[in-house]
Amino acid sequence: EPEVTQTPSHQVTQMGQEVILRCVPISNHLYFYWYRQILGQKVEFLVSFYNNEISEKSEIFDDQFSVERPDGSNFTLKIRSTKLEDSAMYFCASSKQGQSQETQYFGPGTRLLVL
Amino acid sequence: AQSVTQLGSHVSVSEGALVLLRCNYSSSVPPYLFWYVQYPNQGLQLLLKYTSAATLVKGINGFEAEFKKSETSFHLTKPSAHMSDAAEYFCASKGPGTASKLTFGTGTRLQVTL
Repeated sequence: EPEVTQTPSHQVTQMGQEVILRCVPISNHLYFYWYRQILGQKVEFLVSFYNNEISEKSEIFDDQFSVERPDGSNFTLKIRSTKLEDSAMYFCASSKQGQSQETQYFGPGTRLLVL
Repeated sequence: AQSVTQLGSHVSVSEGALVLLRCNYSSSVPPYLFWYVQYPNQGLQLLLKYTSAATLVKGINGFEAEFKKSETSFHLTKPSAHMSDAAEYFCASKGPGTASKLTFGTGTRLQVTL
């Protein structure tokens, strides 16, 4: 069964460094998402992406964050200058269509630790 | 704004006992509702979803959930717990519109004991 994959599974970085989290969505899906979960807190929406544009973003997704689909398979989340509070599990998700009843399929996550 | 509340961050049941995980939603219009499960070191996997077609929804692994508008609830149940059900369970909602974001509850960790 097709699945969303994410790399790396774990990333440790120094505060102020740039990180790029990578995701390969399910191949025939058109809508892509990033969520994050700070330890002990809720899973929070960051951004949705369709047709090479951001569809919606949360207040968390400020200027230090960016997303890109550099080729036909990868979907990336870049954090330009990491802060301690960016430490979290980051989940990528994809869906075939964008309607509300569509299932979003999640990857296993990247655990980011900012020191 | 939508929100989802999961009562009980930890639930422990004996193997073979009924599993009941609670979820209440807050929304001006009935949302679409989802239950996801997360096994250790894995991603979020969809258990079932409510899309207004039927109020009783059956999912994978013997789980089901009933949408009750009068109670604004979407509780997850399983008649008989199995050790393999031990995981974290998340209730989530989505509103209308395309590319809608999921709004998650805080999660409930299910422990199954012998």
